[in-house]
Amino acid sequence: KAGVTQTPRYLIKTRGQQVTLSCSPISGHRSVSWYQQTPGQGLQFLFEYFSETQRNKGNFPGRFSGRQFSNSRSEMNVSTLELGDSALYLCASKEGSGGMNTEAFFGQGTRLTVV
Amino acid sequence: AQSVTQPDIHITVSEGASLELRCNYSYGATPYLFWYVQSPGQGLQLLLKYFSGDTLVQGIKGFEAEFKRSQSSFNLRKPSVHWSDAAEYFCAVGAFGSGYSTLTFGKGTMLLVSP
Repeated sequence: KAGVTQTPRYLIKTRGQQVTLSCSPISGHRSVSWYQQTPGQGLQFLFEYFSETQRNKGNFPGRFSGRQFSNSRSEMNVSTLELGDSALYLCASKEGSGGMNTEAFFGQGTRLTVV
Repeated sequence: AQSVTQPDIHITVSEGASLELRCNYSYGATPYLFWYVQSPGQGLQLLLKYFSGDTLVQGIKGFEAEFKRSQSSFNLRKPSVHWSDAAEYFCAVGAFGSGYSTLTFGKGTMLLVSP
């Protein structure tokens, strides 16, 4: 079974632009979460989706948004990019309803650099 | 709100020596606790988890962790470190509410293994 796939792996964008990152969960997994990883702040929770509905959202500005499609694939979008948005963005998927007792499987991440 | 503290940013251990990585958490209820490992350029891999029951949990790659409620700690141990264990290790506490579950991570401990 294929793992969590994130595309693209690397991305360079200019300040003020917008970017869309994609995450394909493990087949059959319906819960998808996104995390931002930076050297200063560490790993921070962005959003969680289940069955195309956002179940929870972290403390990020409205420039960060996401969605989930009927096939469970998820995208996150960042508008009006700032230098501080440079980070590794990780996606994780869970099977079933994605409860706390189910393992989260992480993708390799998308490395976003804003210049 | 929940939080996780990993007091050691870097730890260097000789190959074959024992290892203990410290983790302290803050959470109002019975915690769900996790240890993840991240190799360079990779996503996170789950080493072990604690939900309830036996306070000493076994994980993959020969790792174990002990939950101590009185000390709010969940330290990770390994009796004999291998060079391939060099990576960054993250402790996390799980929070869940009505239909959602998220992870709050510590800032991580970078493990260096010397020959």
